Amino acid sequence: SQTIHQWPATLVQPVGSPLSLECTVEGTSNPNLYWYRQAAGRGLQLLFYSVGIGQISSEVPQNLSASRPQDRQFILSSKKLLLSDSGFYLCAWSGQDNSPLHFGNGTRLTVT
Amino acid sequence: SQQGEEDPQALSIQEGENATMNCSYKTSINNLQWYRQNSGRGLVHLILIRSNEREKHSGRLRVTLDTSKKSSSLLITASRAADTASYFCASRSGAGSYQLTFGKGTKLSVIP
Repeated sequence: SQTIHQWPATLVQPVGSPLSLECTVEGTSNPNLYWYRQAAGRGLQLLFYSVGIGQISSEVPQNLSASRPQDRQFILSSKKLLLSDSGFYLCAWSGQDNSPLHFGNGTRLTVT
Repeated sequence: SQQGEEDPQALSIQEGENATMNCSYKTSINNLQWYRQNSGRGLVHLILIRSNEREKHSGRLRVTLDTSKKSSSLLITASRAADTASYFCASRSGAGSYQLTFGKGTKLSVIP
């Protein structure tokens, strides 16, 4: 069966520090991969999606970036965090046929 | 932008009662999906209804779709305390679209 792993679960970082969140998927190949952000009491905002290795589409211009160095690995990064980057970050995957999304357990990021 | 909008924002019911949540969207869709999120966790897919379907059932869940009104509803029958969670609708605008647009969710509390 397919599983998705996302880490860390929680992270507290100072303003201006770098960020690296990692997500890996097991049990499937060539998945579509997604990074979403969820602000408190809000819906999910799509940040990036990827349909293949090295292929990244950005939905929201900001100081975050994403990379897909391997088929089942998706990384969310920032060189310098802002206070507004605080939130709950969720990684998800779907099949190439745009089947429903399968989410990781999320990373709670607090920028202080 | 957030296309789906759930109504109500919060709902509190007694165990055994039915819970109905509504969702409205703005543009034509390929399908509409409902997800559940327990506090501090990732989202879990519940049910998908395609644009040419009007009603779908899965266990205690019943989803309806009215494309003329651009709305959907999720009914949970005979609710249980374990149904306490936030529920989100998400719409996919086209068959080739990777964008799944989430609403802000309905927070359901089921009181034992």
